[in-house]
Amino acid sequence: GAVVSQHPSWVICKSGTSVKIECRSLDFQATTMFWYRQFPKQSLMLMATSNEGSKATYEQGVEKDKFLINHASLTLSTLTVTSAHPEDSSFYICSARRGMVAGWRGETQYFGPGTRLLVL
Amino acid sequence: AQTVTQSQPEMSVQEAETVTLSCTYDTSENNYYLFWYKQPPSRQMILVIRQEAYKQQNATENRFSVNFQKAAKSFSLKISDSQLGDTAMYFCAFMMDNFGNEKLTFGTGTRLTIIP
Repeated sequence: GAVVSQHPSWVICKSGTSVKIECRSLDFQATTMFWYRQFPKQSLMLMATSNEGSKATYEQGVEKDKFLINHASLTLSTLTVTSAHPEDSSFYICSARRGMVAGWRGETQYFGPGTRLLVL
Repeated sequence: AQTVTQSQPEMSVQEAETVTLSCTYDTSENNYYLFWYKQPPSRQMILVIRQEAYKQQNATENRFSVNFQKAAKSFSLKISDSQLGDTAMYFCAFMMDNFGNEKLTFGTGTRLTIIP
């Protein structure tokens, strides 16, 4: 259980185009999903927290209009990199947390396999 | 703000040996959660082990165990009988016990290589 998928795993695009990355929880309902960015040989940097049915919460320094997040269902969140430029090239990872059960806290986040984006 | 420090950028150990990865953190919270995640060359993040701060007993998962020292704010990971498949980046992570704000704060990682 607790499997998270991402699609696509690899994407190459031209500068100025928009790219959509999907994150799906396959065997559980995820009320909250998280989007991270990871540069080579570095740690994960949280970009935004996505709650089902509401607006995403972005971390300081992350452009909301650049990285559009939609969490329309309990199993799907999408990240759209708008007007991508070479500096947006990176490894993007999502994670998902199960819905909260009354009295249960500290639910583990389960990660997708990541999406490698290369903008030419 | 919480911070997580992993002071060992790289480590290597012979297969079948035991290795300990260090992690310290800084927080003013009393209740929180700590995690070790593994990221192999595939880059898939895999949960290794988790620890609830309110539990005194150290968590164990087969060959993986932690030494949680709450007063010292230390959370080390011990890997026993290391295997080639343990070769990966290991990230220590902290999460507050705060409903609605359960973000993970990661350390910078330790690259572990198991030598045949």
